[in-house]
Amino acid sequence: GAVVSQHPSWVICKSGTSVKIECRSLDFQATTMFWYRQFPKQSLMLMATSNEGSKATYEQGVEKDKFLINHASLTLSTLTVTSAHPEDSSFYICSARDHTGAREKLFFGSGTQLSVL
Amino acid sequence: AQSVTQLDSHVSVSEGTPVLLRCNYSSSYSPSLFWYVQHPNKGLQLLLKYTSAATLVKGINGFEAEFKKSETSFHLTKPSAHMSDAAEYFCVVSDRTGNTGKLIFGQGTTLQVKP
Repeated sequence: GAVVSQHPSWVICKSGTSVKIECRSLDFQATTMFWYRQFPKQSLMLMATSNEGSKATYEQGVEKDKFLINHASLTLSTLTVTSAHPEDSSFYICSARDHTGAREKLFFGSGTQLSVL
Repeated sequence: AQSVTQLDSHVSVSEGTPVLLRCNYSSSYSPSLFWYVQHPNKGLQLLLKYTSAATLVKGINGFEAEFKKSETSFHLTKPSAHMSDAAEYFCVVSDRTGNTGKLIFGQGTTLQVKP
């Protein structure tokens, strides 16, 4: 079945550095991908919608200059957390929409745990 | 706008007893509703979904949910809990405006299964 691969699964970085998270659809083309973040013991919150070949659409309150999203190909979207700070420590998860076939399906990556020291 | 409320942040049941996880939604049009499960250190897994077909939806691992429009509810049930069912469960409503397919997640319910 369709699989979404998300890397890295966990990352520890120093405050002020940038971290890139990749989300790949392995056997389907995803024109739309979504990025979520989850704070401990809280629900997932949509950060942005990533559309291949165009600018991402950010949810209210999400800093687009801090969370850079690039969706340059139909199988890859990246989220870069720039100048990371401890408050950015969170669980980030992507999802990709598969439009092939009669019904749309949504597949999630396994998530990335980011810890900023 | 859509929203979803999970009425219980934590549910504890004994193994072999029924499970009920409650969810109420708000939507300005016919929603698509989902239940996802998240096991520790793993990604999200779709349990079941309602997309305006049968109101009683059967999912994986013996779970099912009933869409009740009059009550704006989509409660998740299972006749007999297993230890492996212990996880975080999310009720989700889909934003069907345009073709964005954005999902709005509930706050989550932690299911604890006692031996």
